[in-house]
Amino acid sequence: AQSVTQLGSHVSVSEGALVLLRCNYSSSVPPYLFWYVQYPNQGLQLLLKYTTGATLVKGINGFEAEFKKSETSFHLTKPSAHMSDAAEYFCAVSASGGSYIPTFGRGTSLIVHP
Amino acid sequence: GAGVSQSPSNKVTEKGKDVELRCDPISGHTALYWYRQSLGQGLEFLIYFQGNSAPDKSGLPSDRFSAERTGGSVSTLTIQRTQQEDSAVYLCASSLVGEQYFGPGTRLTVT
Repeated sequence: AQSVTQLGSHVSVSEGALVLLRCNYSSSVPPYLFWYVQYPNQGLQLLLKYTTGATLVKGINGFEAEFKKSETSFHLTKPSAHMSDAAEYFCAVSASGGSYIPTFGRGTSLIVHP
Repeated sequence: GAGVSQSPSNKVTEKGKDVELRCDPISGHTALYWYRQSLGQGLEFLIYFQGNSAPDKSGLPSDRFSAERTGGSVSTLTIQRTQQEDSAVYLCASSLVGEQYFGPGTRLTVT
């Protein structure tokens, strides 16, 4: 069984400020972890993923996330927010073996103020 | 290369009618998923196809929902006797291993 919790349905930051979107997961097996971004009226686009190896993962658009097994977390960060980062962000977990059906969090809407 | 495509992009139907939603996955991707996204909600898993294996239908909300995947490629999601609560965006995704590639979705409105 697996689950994902994204703390905060909305996160508001000023342009240039640090972005931190929180994701905690539970999984009975070693997880694969993903962050996706969804812009209005579009499908989801992969930002980054963790499967094995280095726990700090870098993705597109300057985002990165760190897998912390002891904290069962995979928080998404970006040092400096841009207006174009305003979107819905989804964290997802899937099992590293067997079925690859991922479980998605409910999403966090990132609002960027000028 | 071509991504995942879905058609139609928008569908308005009357309550009680049947609808078919189409998904064209990325060529060579063996896995195909259907999700439903309601306003302000996350993604609700509906059904999963993997190669020639029997599909995982555990997410289908009722027997009004069905899906098929012909020749391991194109998939059709069918909703019979649509209800207003079926109004949502239906997303399709395909994958080879690991990350999923999503289509733009079909926005279904049941009036």
